[in-house]
Amino acid sequence: GEDVEQSLFLSVREGDSSVINCTYTDSSSTYLYWYKQEPGAGLQLLTYIFSNMDMKQDQRLTVLLNKKDKHLSLRIADTQTGDSAIYFCAENSNSGYALNFGKGTSLLVTP
Amino acid sequence: GAVVSQHPSRVICKSGTSVKIECRSLDFQATTMFWYRQFPKQSLMLMATSNEGSKATYEQGVEKDKFLINHASLTLSTLTVTSAHPEDSSFYICSASARTIEAFFGQGTRLTVV
Repeated sequence: GEDVEQSLFLSVREGDSSVINCTYTDSSSTYLYWYKQEPGAGLQLLTYIFSNMDMKQDQRLTVLLNKKDKHLSLRIADTQTGDSAIYFCAENSNSGYALNFGKGTSLLVTP
Repeated sequence: GAVVSQHPSRVICKSGTSVKIECRSLDFQATTMFWYRQFPKQSLMLMATSNEGSKATYEQGVEKDKFLINHASLTLSTLTVTSAHPEDSSFYICSASARTIEAFFGQGTRLTVV
């Protein structure tokens, strides 16, 4: 399938902003998603962005999409220790609603 | 948001036995359910897509005789790992969709084959 790439680790201090980056290759993706996975748990949808948008803000979360460069980022403002988790970037594949995931970025928030 | 319940959350089985994992959509009718497998430090890999009442569509490289998927109703899909071997040990996650942009995920099942 198409590739979705993410950096594997990010460490930030509590109160700082976190920026998690993602690149994808499928230019036909309609929606791009950010999911959060806490240890031993399933995936929680954080936010998504339609491919014809370049920015979406939802409380502490800001998603930026550069469709030309196929680059997606998730910014978490005022990062808290409870934000420590693995964050997955995903795009909808040609299968319709099945998703193609990156390997996930482990975010560690230190006090 | 909608709730998808996956059961069991953890299972240990002996090599050669079969294990069934259930995925239920609790408050909506899921026309499509997806099964993913997650290896340690790897992304989720789509195994198969199942539509209610029809045969599942398996991704390339996934053995359909080993990973049996049944989607008998709009709220239940099952994945049976037949004749499990240690290499089948993994984290299996289902998701359910009702033809919206969002697919809701179960909490996952940690399968350990000993």
